[in-house]
Amino acid sequence: DSGVTQTPKHLITATGQRVTLRCSPRSGDLSVYWYQQSLDQGLQFLIQYYNGEERAKGNILERFSAQQFPDLHSELNLSSLELGDSALYFCASSDDRSVGEQFFGPGTRLTVL
Amino acid sequence: GQNIDQPTEMTATEGAIVQINCTYQTSGFNGLFWYQQHAGEAPTFLSYNVLDGLEEKGRFSSFLSRSKGYSYLLLKELQMKDSASYLCAPHQGGKLIFGQGTELSVKP
Repeated sequence: DSGVTQTPKHLITATGQRVTLRCSPRSGDLSVYWYQQSLDQGLQFLIQYYNGEERAKGNILERFSAQQFPDLHSELNLSSLELGDSALYFCASSDDRSVGEQFFGPGTRLTVL
Repeated sequence: GQNIDQPTEMTATEGAIVQINCTYQTSGFNGLFWYQQHAGEAPTFLSYNVLDGLEEKGRFSSFLSRSKGYSYLLLKELQMKDSASYLCAPHQGGKLIFGQGTELSVKP
């Protein structure tokens, strides 16, 4: 158990819909990272937040957005969903005080029908 | 930019040794991580190299050559449970850039 929690574990929805994925980092970790992992692709970095502020952006679509709240939990919002958005979405956290090791949550499996 | 290359698949026998290579080209390199990922599960941390040389941790060792942009993960005394995907991830400015991963199959 990494100490990172993600909800829900599974999500099934239809094209055009909007969903919100939630992540709680390890206690004390200020950084939260979001990744997307499709069947045919590796882990793709989406976005990083540090203590409530966006720190780095990767290959995140304009239909996707994220935020980190004062209690440090984070949400990833996916809108106008397409079939190709079906993937595992992982959240990871780190304390940024050590070497930058990231601890991954169990993931949310999103299926868009 | 980032370019990470590792073999797609490898097969090895239980009890044997296997070496998984990774070459990378990244800007702002801060070190390199190796993660293990079983199908459908979260990646778990294996090792981190920031300086050149070999880091040993039990059955797993990792090597880094910064000048050559090269790393390898060495797994000894292979067990069936080692069947998984192994991800090479250079650390760049706080971000981990993951390769496609090497799918290792351990056969009896």
